[in-house]
Amino acid sequence: AQKVTQAQTEISVVEKEDVTLDCVYETRDTTYYLFWYKQPPSGELVFLIRRNSFDEQNEISGRYSWNFQKSTSSFNFTITASQVVDSAVYFCALSEAYGYSGGGADGLTFGKGTHLIIQP
Amino acid sequence: ETGVTQTPRHLVMGMTNKKSLKCEQHLGHNAMYWYKQSAKKPLELMFVYSLEERVENNSVPSRFSPECPNSSHLFLHLHTLQPEDSALYLCASSQVKLATDTQYFGPGTRLTVL
Repeated sequence: AQKVTQAQTEISVVEKEDVTLDCVYETRDTTYYLFWYKQPPSGELVFLIRRNSFDEQNEISGRYSWNFQKSTSSFNFTITASQVVDSAVYFCALSEAYGYSGGGADGLTFGKGTHLIIQP
Repeated sequence: ETGVTQTPRHLVMGMTNKKSLKCEQHLGHNAMYWYKQSAKKPLELMFVYSLEERVENNSVPSRFSPECPNSSHLFLHLHTLQPEDSALYLCASSQVKLATDTQYFGPGTRLTVL
């Protein structure tokens, strides 16, 4: 069965600091997909990134960057020069490529989320 | 309207009431999902519909009854709920029901059962 662990329940930093959110996953599939979502106080989950298991290249999008390391089963998320608007709960999620067709309930599995607080 | 919308945004109901949550997606997707988000628990997948056919039922109690009349609309009918059913219920959609596909979420309905 697949599992996602976000060990950091809550992180609080001062604006402009860099912050890294950790995500460790478990899966038996060789083909899988990793996601990050942002949930602001309004409640809606906002899609940030999707990465497949064959692409270990790190990705940068503005102040956001993601570090995918299969050797440690981690997919960490870094915000550079954090801003107050970055305050939200961030979820890491895993989807196995053959989980649906296998008929099981394993689909998109989420971690418990990390509550990020950016103080002005 | 764009994206995925959900109504109502907030709902308070008694244990003997019957109510329905509505989800509508404006993305032309063919798969829709219901998730439950309880405090301090990971999001839990409840139901999956693909092309209006239910393909997943993740051991959800029968007091929750989904309905998908077409690929744009998804309902969650609620009856005789328990206080522990209080949670944020999120609807999502994706182009197809594949693990590769990104799911896009609505804002959720905050449900309180008294």
